[in-house]
Amino acid sequence: KQEVTQIPAALSVPEGENLVLNCSFTDSAIYNLQWFRQDPGKGLTSLLLIQSSQREQTSGRLNASLDKSSGRSTLYIAASQPGDSATYLCAVRPSGSARQLTFGSGTQLTVLP
Amino acid sequence: DVKVTQSSRYLVKRTGEKVFLECVQDMDHENMFWYRQDPGLGLRLIYFSYDVKMKEKGDIPEGYSVSREKKERFSLILESASTNQTSMYLCASSWDSARVDEQYFGPGTRLTVT
Repeated sequence: KQEVTQIPAALSVPEGENLVLNCSFTDSAIYNLQWFRQDPGKGLTSLLLIQSSQREQTSGRLNASLDKSSGRSTLYIAASQPGDSATYLCAVRPSGSARQLTFGSGTQLTVLP
Repeated sequence: DVKVTQSSRYLVKRTGEKVFLECVQDMDHENMFWYRQDPGLGLRLIYFSYDVKMKEKGDIPEGYSVSREKKERFSLILESASTNQTSMYLCASSWDSARVDEQYFGPGTRLTVT
């Protein structure tokens, strides 16, 4: 059974720092990996989706990488801002016909002004 | 922009009541999903549907049922609400495409069962 782990569970950084969030998964037979952001009490907002054939995706200050063979993905946030404070979740979709995602438990990020 | 809406942001029900949670998406997505999110347990899939009138059980279907009579609407039903079903419920949808299957989420319904 696929397991997705995110370390650390919480992270606090001063504004302006570049930071990396980690995601690891146990089964490398994935179709894609998706990073989400969740603000307190709200739904999830999709940030980036990386197909299994891709190595990275970029959107603005965000860059996500994928190393399928080692079961790892990272989300890099450049020049962090207080507005980046949220919980970040990664999720993987398995290869084959299954459509459902397996989620990590998230990293709670606080960017201090 | 993709829009996924859920019928209520907050809901308070009594034990034993039948509860309906509604989800509507406006992007003609084939796939729709219901999750619940609890502290320390993360997001867990309850049910999903990949077509009208089709449904498949997720990881924790016990105590729930679903209905998908129209493509844009996916309902989660708690047949007899219990206190252990107090949770945040999240609906999501996606295209059923080999290349574009990003999941889009609604704002969530926080259900309290007393």
